[in-house]
Amino acid sequence: GAVVSQHPSWVICKSGTSVKIECRSLDFQATTMFWYRQFPKQSLMLMATSNEGSKATYEQGVEKDKFLINHASLTLSTLTVTSAHPEDSSFYICSADAGQGTEQYFGPGTRLTVT
Amino acid sequence: GQQVMQIPQYQHVQEGEDFTTYCNSSTTLSNIQWYKQRPGGHPVFLIQLVKSGEVKKQKRLTFQFGEAKKNSSLHITATQTTDVGTYFCAGFGSGAGSYQLTFGKGTKLSVIP
Repeated sequence: GAVVSQHPSWVICKSGTSVKIECRSLDFQATTMFWYRQFPKQSLMLMATSNEGSKATYEQGVEKDKFLINHASLTLSTLTVTSAHPEDSSFYICSADAGQGTEQYFGPGTRLTVT
Repeated sequence: GQQVMQIPQYQHVQEGEDFTTYCNSSTTLSNIQWYKQRPGGHPVFLIQLVKSGEVKKQKRLTFQFGEAKKNSSLHITATQTTDVGTYFCAGFGSGAGSYQLTFGKGTKLSVIP
């Protein structure tokens, strides 16, 4: 149990376009999901906390208008990278909270390459 | 695909006892990272191991990367109540799998005062 999926696993897009990444909890409901970014060989950096039915909470330095997060249901959160630039190329990983901050399950990640 | 198994899932120790969590990958890893998540918090990066057989220490924490780069361990000496939390390992594959970071399911540590 407690599986989190992400789609797509790998995407290449052109500069200026937008890319949507989905994070799904497959067998449990997640009122809270987290989005992280990771540069090669570096640690995870929390971008935002996504709460079902409300606005996401962004970490300092993360542009809200560039990284749009929507948590429309208890099993789905989406991260849209708008007007992507090459510097947005990174590994984006989500995690889902199975309840009350006690259990967190990670998705497999999405590698974004902006050309 | 790449799988990372972490054991044990739960560990309860008396304060002052040692604690070890183990991470095993189905494939060779290019590097492995360890994170600690306090209850209600987010995973916080602890360390990254890159070299085969590497051992690193942070105060009471000792991290080890296996010779084959397929397993790793985190050992805490003389646990304290502040060590409570879930410890995750996460590894990047090598070669064709180098783009994927795979997390273990974590080991939840409880420390009894």
